[in-house]
Amino acid sequence: DGGITQSPKYLFRKEGQNVTLSCEQNLNHDAMYWYRQDPGQGLRLIYYSQIVNDFQKGDIAEGYSVSREKKESFPLTVTSAQKNPTAFYLCASSIQPGGTNVLTFGAGSRLTVL
Amino acid sequence: QKEVEQNSGPLSVPEGAIASLNCTYSDRGSQSFFWYRQYSGKSPELIMSIYSNGDKEDGRFTAQLNKASQYVSLLIRDSQPSDSATYLCAVTNNQGGKLIFGQGTELSVKP
Repeated sequence: DGGITQSPKYLFRKEGQNVTLSCEQNLNHDAMYWYRQDPGQGLRLIYYSQIVNDFQKGDIAEGYSVSREKKESFPLTVTSAQKNPTAFYLCASSIQPGGTNVLTFGAGSRLTVL
Repeated sequence: QKEVEQNSGPLSVPEGAIASLNCTYSDRGSQSFFWYRQYSGKSPELIMSIYSNGDKEDGRFTAQLNKASQYVSLLIRDSQPSDSATYLCAVTNNQGGKLIFGQGTELSVKP
């Protein structure tokens, strides 16, 4: 079945450590996105990529980094520069870039800083 | 002013009633509007999309769009306990077509 796979589902990090969240899709979608969700909040865009080897900052990119070396993969690294990284992270994709295209979401990764 | 605003709720309705969820947006250039449902601890799933003024119906769900008033709503008829979730409104702005999400409205349907 086609879909988006995020791993790990749960992750614990000590302060000062970098962690990488994996996102893989087999939908043949061009565009991929990373969102962050805090309790009682909507989704905030971290980074997005419209095509391989290209990505743009979203609204809250500070302290995060991404790469898009393959169409299927869009990993997110939460660096030690992110001051409050505890959150629910959602990866999404769409057939083409642009808000008119429906997003498909992965199951999410929940990061907790100890 | 937030770009997309929703009442955070919780909104509580009895089983069988109509639930009305509202969303306003600030960018008059917005073109596409979406309602996502999110169960606790899960990822959002698309319920409705609407692109032109008026109503769009899909089963028990009706989306209503009024671009002049910058207002989009979701009606859920014959509400069921399984409809209890957070409903996220999402709107495209005119900056690269990125989706902007509201903070979500928590709906509770009581048996």
